[in-house]
Amino acid sequence: GAVVSQHPSRVICKSGTSVKIECRSLDFQATTMFWYRQFPKKSLMLMATSNEGSKATYEQGVEKDKFLINHASLTLSTLTVTSAHPEDSSFYICSARDPRQGETGELFFGEGSRLTVL
Amino acid sequence: KQEVTQIPAALSVPEGENLVLNCSFTDSAIYNLQWFRQDPGKGLTSLLLIQSSQREQTSGRLNASLDKSSGRSTLYIAASQPGDSATYLCAVRGTGGYQKVTFGIGTKLQVIP
Repeated sequence: GAVVSQHPSRVICKSGTSVKIECRSLDFQATTMFWYRQFPKKSLMLMATSNEGSKATYEQGVEKDKFLINHASLTLSTLTVTSAHPEDSSFYICSARDPRQGETGELFFGEGSRLTVL
Repeated sequence: KQEVTQIPAALSVPEGENLVLNCSFTDSAIYNLQWFRQDPGKGLTSLLLIQSSQREQTSGRLNASLDKSSGRSTLYIAASQPGDSATYLCAVRGTGGYQKVTFGIGTKLQVIP
């Protein structure tokens, strides 16, 4: 079964509103989670690394104020798309690595969240 | 900067055929390589993980090989089935910095009944 759960799977919102996406690790405590964005016919792009209890590390070109990441507990990270615009429409996916597998363990991915901004 | 390329971009085969998907990467300094499957509109499902010290991994009808020195990996699917239709992604985890994972664009596979 799934070890990383993401919610909601689909969300449609009006331009200017904020949308929150949750990512939960179900079977393990994840001190680090990763947020990706996937454009059609493009590879997954790492947006940021979410660190429990500290600030997220953002990739170059990703707006920190646009994509707010909070990792409030060892099993939950949230991505909030603030003041969403149509160009933010995309497929967002989170992932985590089970620390019990060590540093070279496999990545587990959530089901993804399809955001459509009207 | 690590770059991951997957060839072919799309593949259509009749049911029952054996097939090979290719993945190449430019920087051989990796911890591991992972193959994923993605169905349309869905997240990623891990298929196989190969550590940098390993040459291959097998799971059922799937076999993945890794040649780190040449920067190549292959995913072999035996006796393909329509249910294998999906996009297959490979991803490499680098050893530098904070061990960033880089993905290929994927190979879209269609198995025709």
